[in-house]
Amino acid sequence: EAGVAQSPRYKIIEKRQSVAFWCNPISGHATLYWYQQILGQGPKLLIQFQNNGVVDDSQLPKDRFSAERLKGVDSTLKIQPAKLEDSAVYLCASSPSGLAGREQFFGPGTRLTVL
Amino acid sequence: AQSVTQLDSQVPVFEEAPVELRCNYSSSVSVYLFWYVQYPNQGLQLLLKYLSGSTLVKGINGFEAEFNKSQTSFHLRKPSVHISDTAEYFCAVSAGDYKLSFGAGTTVTVRA
Repeated sequence: EAGVAQSPRYKIIEKRQSVAFWCNPISGHATLYWYQQILGQGPKLLIQFQNNGVVDDSQLPKDRFSAERLKGVDSTLKIQPAKLEDSAVYLCASSPSGLAGREQFFGPGTRLTVL
Repeated sequence: AQSVTQLDSQVPVFEEAPVELRCNYSSSVSVYLFWYVQYPNQGLQLLLKYLSGSTLVKGINGFEAEFNKSQTSFHLRKPSVHISDTAEYFCAVSAGDYKLSFGAGTTVTVRA
């Protein structure tokens, strides 16, 4: 079974530029999550999708961050414009439905450096 | 809302020695508990989980954890570590909404 795929793995941009990250979840997983992991901290949930609908985006800085999950499969997270404090690893995770959905499967992450 | 406290930010340990990583949580409702491991430049991998049943949970790579409801703890243990166990370990909790709340992590460094 293929795992969660993310690209790019690394990205370096200047502040005020825009950037986009892509995630392909495990086939059949209804729920998709985006996390932000700042160096030295645990992951923090940014947004949760159930199929192609948003379940929770309360921690997403909506003035600069946006995310979509078209057709309930792949997802894209965008930052525009980026700030220095956005430097972090962005993790995508997916989970199946039901009680098995308690376990989330994580991708390798995208390491973003904002200069 | 749930929260997790990992009591040790760094744990140095010698190869073949035992290790314990401490995790305490707070929640007003029943919880589900997880330990994840993160190797350098990789995503998170599930070590073990407590959903229900036996409070002693066995996971991959020889790790185990014990759920203690009265002490609101979920400490992770391994009787004999290897160099390859050097990594960052995260304790996480979820409740009715399936969302995970993570601790700040514990860095384990295994020395020969």
